[in-house]
Amino acid sequence: EAQVTQNPRYLITVTGKKLTVTCSQNMNHEYMSWYRQDPGLGLRQIYYSMNVEVTDKGDVPEGYKVSRKEKRNFPLILESPSPNQTSLYFCASSLQTVGEQYFGPGTRLTVT
Amino acid sequence: AQTVTQSQPEMSVQEAETVTLSCTYDTSESDYYLFWYKQPPSRQMILVIRQEAYKQQNATENRFSVNFQKAAKSFSLKISDSQLGDAAMYFCAYRVFQGGSEKLVFGKGTKLTVNP
Repeated sequence: EAQVTQNPRYLITVTGKKLTVTCSQNMNHEYMSWYRQDPGLGLRQIYYSMNVEVTDKGDVPEGYKVSRKEKRNFPLILESPSPNQTSLYFCASSLQTVGEQYFGPGTRLTVT
Repeated sequence: AQTVTQSQPEMSVQEAETVTLSCTYDTSESDYYLFWYKQPPSRQMILVIRQEAYKQQNATENRFSVNFQKAAKSFSLKISDSQLGDAAMYFCAYRVFQGGSEKLVFGKGTKLTVNP
C-alpha cells in the first residue's frame, strides 16, 4: 500500500530534550516536506526536500533541522524543543515539485 | 507575497444539498497548481481535487467540482449532494515552483458541518 508514515504519532516531551520525528514514504517520491498545523493558522511549511541531499527552508524553519540521506526518509529534528513548538506536524511527499502531495497521519507534539 | 484566503471560517449545509466554499489567492505567477484538501476529525489530510492554472476547464471529481477564475484569482469548491461524511475542515492550497525554490501556501481552513 502506497503511504507516508510518521513516528511517533503522539509525543509529550520537556523543554530542551532533543527529539526526532521520522517520516518515510514507499512511493519513490523525490519531493518531501514538513508542515506544522496550529489552530487558526492552517498548515505552514517548515522545510522541504526536492531530492536526496537537497533541502531548503519553508516559511517557519526556526528551531528545526532536517536531513535527506535516503530518498524514502525525511526526519524532522528538534535540537532543543520549546513550548511554542507544540503543534500537529505533517510530513508529505509527491512525485514532482508541483503535483499533489500525499500526507502522513500527523504527529501530535506537546512540549512542556 | 503569495497568500491564500478562505473567507468563511465555518459553513453548514443540509444533507443532500449543495454548498460552495470560497478561496482566493494572490500571486504574480502564471503557472501554478491549486488544491482542495479535506481534514476529517481523524486529522488525515486527504486530497479532494486539484487544478492546474494553465487548464481552463474546471476540475471535477464525482460530487466535488471547482469554479476556477484565473483572472479573479478565485478557486471555489462546490460539494453537491452533501453527505454526513463530508463534514470536515477544508483547506485551499496554492503551489508554485519558481527560481529553484518551491512555495506551498495553505489557507486557514473552512469548517464544514453537514446537518442530517
